[in-house]
Amino acid sequence: EVQLQESGPGLVKPSQSLSLTCSVTGYSITSNYWGWIRKFPGNKMEWMGYISYSGSTSYNPSLKSRISITRDTSKNQFFLQLNSVTTEDTATYYCARGTTTVTNWGQGVMVTVSS
Amino acid sequence: DVVMTQTPVSLSVSLGGQVSISCRSSQSLVHNNGNTYLSWYLQKPGQSPQLLIYKVSNRFSGISDRFSGSGSGTDFTLKISRVEPDDLGVYYCGQGTQYPYTFGAGTKLELK
Repeated sequence: EVQLQESGPGLVKPSQSLSLTCSVTGYSITSNYWGWIRKFPGNKMEWMGYISYSGSTSYNPSLKSRISITRDTSKNQFFLQLNSVTTEDTATYYCARGTTTVTNWGQGVMVTVSS
Repeated sequence: DVVMTQTPVSLSVSLGGQVSISCRSSQSLVHNNGNTYLSWYLQKPGQSPQLLIYKVSNRFSGISDRFSGSGSGTDFTLKISRVEPDDLGVYYCGQGTQYPYTFGAGTKLELK
């Protein structure tokens, strides 16, 4: 059974970078597509971007200048970095498997941007 | 971006009852490959979202046949019959046809 687990700091200061890790078990990240989705307070959800089985990436144009998704295949992990965060980046961040259809979600990590 | 409009925002239902949730997209969700990537997800309280329905009408593994999806083009519906306590939460539609992929704003299902 595939399982995803996010980890990272729950509090980030404005203008700093947000860095999260998604650890995957039960499935190799060298297969399929792996992404990051966030849910803002009030229920709005946003696709942030994804990394493919080959390592290619695609980002939401609304974030393109600030986002980077990378991976470590030896650890079966992929990562999110979001630069120059503001309070508007406060959200619960989910890592996920699949793009056109999200078949598996991590438990989510709540990140607050505040000084 | 494709805008996904879900209605209603919230629903009250009696146990054993039936409900429908509507999802409309601002553009057709028929992909160039002929597939329509419209999914339904349920987020139960305190949990992450889970996939219920994919490609309009296909139930995901382990999902009860009380859940059914229908629609085409830009108009889609999720029906839940014989509502059980475990069905309560926020339902989202999501499109995977046009990037960036987008979600509806959610429909909260509550007990009457």
